[in-house]
Amino acid sequence: GIQVEQSPPDLILQEGANSTLRCNFSDSVNNLQWFHQNPWGQLINLFYIPSGTKQNGRLSATTVATERYSLLYISSSQTTDSGVYFCAARGRDDKIIFGKGTRLHILP
Amino acid sequence: DTGVSQDPRHKITKRGQNVTFRCDPISEHNRLYWYRQTLGQGPEFLTYFQNEAQLEKSRLLSDRFSAERPKGSFSTLEIQRTEQGDSAMYLCASSFLGPKETQYFGPGTRLLVL
Repeated sequence: GIQVEQSPPDLILQEGANSTLRCNFSDSVNNLQWFHQNPWGQLINLFYIPSGTKQNGRLSATTVATERYSLLYISSSQTTDSGVYFCAARGRDDKIIFGKGTRLHILP
Repeated sequence: DTGVSQDPRHKITKRGQNVTFRCDPISEHNRLYWYRQTLGQGPEFLTYFQNEAQLEKSRLLSDRFSAERPKGSFSTLEIQRTEQGDSAMYLCASSFLGPKETQYFGPGTRLLVL
């Protein structure tokens, strides 16, 4: 099945900084989502983005399907952005695989 | 109906006991997924339903685990003879099958087996 790798595993930034999180996948995907898991464990949808670019406020995402990666950009970080960011890919076999996540700490 | 709900939110049990979790999906969603998440890891797929049919089960889903979605609406996940290794967050997600299928997650049930 598809393999999903996220980098970096941990990221510590000062409030106001920008960040880029990466998700690599090993095969073609039918579906790719980015999630933010808050400190209480709730997974919150950020983007459905199997290809192309989307923006939502300070967050944007780009997936280059032909090169098998996706990037999540967070601009002007706030302390509430802290948490774990996951990408999840659905491969051609219809299985959904999550990466291990990037743990983001935004310092005040 | 504002989202996926799960019950209970927390469960503490003794090894060897049976536990059952419930998930209520977003009402118009025809797909329902169960995942398990352990500390420091991403969610791992367990099983999913399309309407009432269970279409896929992971090898992680041992014989002690069973899931049902009898009327194509809510689902239950039962763990029999719990073991300490079953301690984890159990997450439910729902979606509507289509070209832009997007999963929405519930708050999870955190299980601790003593």
